[in-house]
Amino acid sequence: AQKVTQAQTEISVVEKEDVTLDCVYETRDTTYYLFWYKQPPSGELVFLIRRNSFDEQNEISGRYSWNFQKSTSSFNFTITASQVVDSAVYFCALTETSGSRLTFGEGTQLTVNP
Amino acid sequence: NAGVTQTPKFQVLKTGQSMTLQCAQDMNHEYMSWYRQDPGMGLRLIHYSVGAGITDQGEVPNGYNVSRSTTEDFPLRLLSAAPSQTSVYFCASSYGIVQFFGPGTRLTVL
Repeated sequence: AQKVTQAQTEISVVEKEDVTLDCVYETRDTTYYLFWYKQPPSGELVFLIRRNSFDEQNEISGRYSWNFQKSTSSFNFTITASQVVDSAVYFCALTETSGSRLTFGEGTQLTVNP
Repeated sequence: NAGVTQTPKFQVLKTGQSMTLQCAQDMNHEYMSWYRQDPGMGLRLIHYSVGAGITDQGEVPNGYNVSRSTTEDFPLRLLSAAPSQTSVYFCASSYGIVQFFGPGTRLTVL
């Protein structure tokens, strides 16, 4: 069975601080995909990134970066110089090769205060 | 493209009533799915479909039925609503690995 754990239920930071959201996963599959989604206060789910299990390169996109470490089964997400617009619930998710069954973590509520 | 659309946006039901949540996509995606979102539990898969005429159960299928007669539509039916089905329901579709979600339906069962 697959499992995704986001141990941080809520995080509150002040604008311009850096913040890291943790994600730990469990799977028996050797090939799998990891994702991060953002859910702003308006409620929609926005896809941020996909990473497959064979690609452990870190990725940076603007103020966002992702650190995938297979050895520790972690896929952490860092926001640099946070902004109020980053306030949202962030979900980490996992799926096997077919992509038919996404397993989500519990989500982390990030609040960025001005 | 409208992407993934869901109707209604909000719904209030009484225990025992039935209803259908509608989901449609105009991207010709083969894969569609339904999730429910509850506080502190993330999203959980209810049912999914890998193509027209094919459906399968997810993690929490009890109390819900689905069918997939066309590529575009994937309705979710509640035959006899229960308070435990109060939740936000999301429909998603994908062609490859990445699933794209609709705006959600907030359902309250009294």
